[in-house]
Amino acid sequence: EPEVTQTPSHQVTQMGQEVILRCVPISNHLYFYWYRQILGQKVEFLVSFYNNEISEKSEIFDDQFSVERPDGSNFTLKIRSTKLEDSAMYFCASSEATGPASNSPLHFGNGTRLTVT
Amino acid sequence: GQNIDQPTEMTATEGAIVQINCTYQTSGFNGLFWYQQHAGEAPTFLSYNVLDGLEEKGRFSSFLSRSKGYSYLLLKELQMKDSASYLCAVRKNAGNMLTFGGGTRLMVKP
Repeated sequence: EPEVTQTPSHQVTQMGQEVILRCVPISNHLYFYWYRQILGQKVEFLVSFYNNEISEKSEIFDDQFSVERPDGSNFTLKIRSTKLEDSAMYFCASSEATGPASNSPLHFGNGTRLTVT
Repeated sequence: GQNIDQPTEMTATEGAIVQINCTYQTSGFNGLFWYQQHAGEAPTFLSYNVLDGLEEKGRFSSFLSRSKGYSYLLLKELQMKDSASYLCAVRKNAGNMLTFGGGTRLMVKP
């Protein structure tokens, strides 16, 4: 079964550094997402991406964050000037379709655990 | 905004049936999803409801009442491997963004 893959599985960085989290969505999916989950808390939406542009973003997704689809397969999340509170599990997800009649679920990758020290 | 409420924890016995409730308040409701998440792992899709009624998938069923802003996930013939968090998530309007509840941690005991 096709799956969303994320690298690295674990990233440790120092406060103030930049990190890039990488994702390869399922190949025939058109919609891509980043979510995060701080330890012990709920899964929170960051951003969705379609047709090479951001379609929705949350209040969390401020100027510190950016996303990119640099080629036909990768989808990246860049976090600039990391802070201690950015420590979380970051999940990438993809889905086939959207729209009122669609039940296309989000398929999540196994996540990147980001630790900011 | 959206409010999604689920019990924090539940305990059940192997072989039994358990019902996990979820209530939500949102405008522009466009579907409710249930996901399973084992500790330290990714959420995995279980079920989807957009119309009122019951959707059955093997040992798992999910029910939705849009007028009441209420859903439940029913797990039958519980197995030890069902010990996990169960996440209720609501989709709003035509977008595909999901808003998750805090999850219900289910512990299955022998």
